[in-house]
Amino acid sequence: EAQVTQNPRYLITVTGKKLTVTCSQNMNHEYMSWYRQDPGLGLRQIYYSMNVEVTDKGDVPEGYKVSRKEKRNFPLILESPSPNQTSLYFCASSLSSGEVSTDTQYFGPGTRLTVL
Amino acid sequence: KNQVEQSPQSLIILEGKNCTLQCNYTVSPFSNLRWYKQDTGRGPVSLTIMTFSENTKSNGRYTATLDADTKQSSLHITASQLSDSASYICVVLRYDKVIFGPGTSLSVIP
Repeated sequence: EAQVTQNPRYLITVTGKKLTVTCSQNMNHEYMSWYRQDPGLGLRQIYYSMNVEVTDKGDVPEGYKVSRKEKRNFPLILESPSPNQTSLYFCASSLSSGEVSTDTQYFGPGTRLTVL
Repeated sequence: KNQVEQSPQSLIILEGKNCTLQCNYTVSPFSNLRWYKQDTGRGPVSLTIMTFSENTKSNGRYTATLDADTKQSSLHITASQLSDSASYICVVLRYDKVIFGPGTSLSVIP
């Protein structure tokens, strides 16, 4: 089954404790992206990757890091989480670059992060 | 400023009725416009994708229209079902940016 998986689905942590949210897709997609969703603000792009070893900042990259060492994986790293990073996070992938392509973008199930 | 606005913010309709959701955008230049359905607690699912040259696109009971001149799009849902209860998000792609609207929350009641 074609899918985007994220782990963990739920996470409660404390300020400053490094964490990683994993994202994996099994569709051989080139384009992957991370978003956060907050009430009243909609989805906002954090980082995206057009292919292996190619990553770029989205609208709200501060406090986040990503890596794309393999095509299928795109982990989101919070080196020193803060309470304002409490949010619902989604990973997404599409066959090619989402900005200029009409390829369908597939979203993961989401990771609900709470930083105390 | 590149923005995507949606109306209404929320909507309640009776099962079996039709409804239309609106999306206005100021994004320029414009690549394509997408409508997503997001069930509570789940990731968005793509409904339609339209380029600036397309006026309408259907996906089952969902029909999206686009007027690139007035920068307006609508999503029409026909013969609504309880499972249509969800948030509907309009997304406009510029060539270097993805801009999400705030969504319209639709509740379909028996």
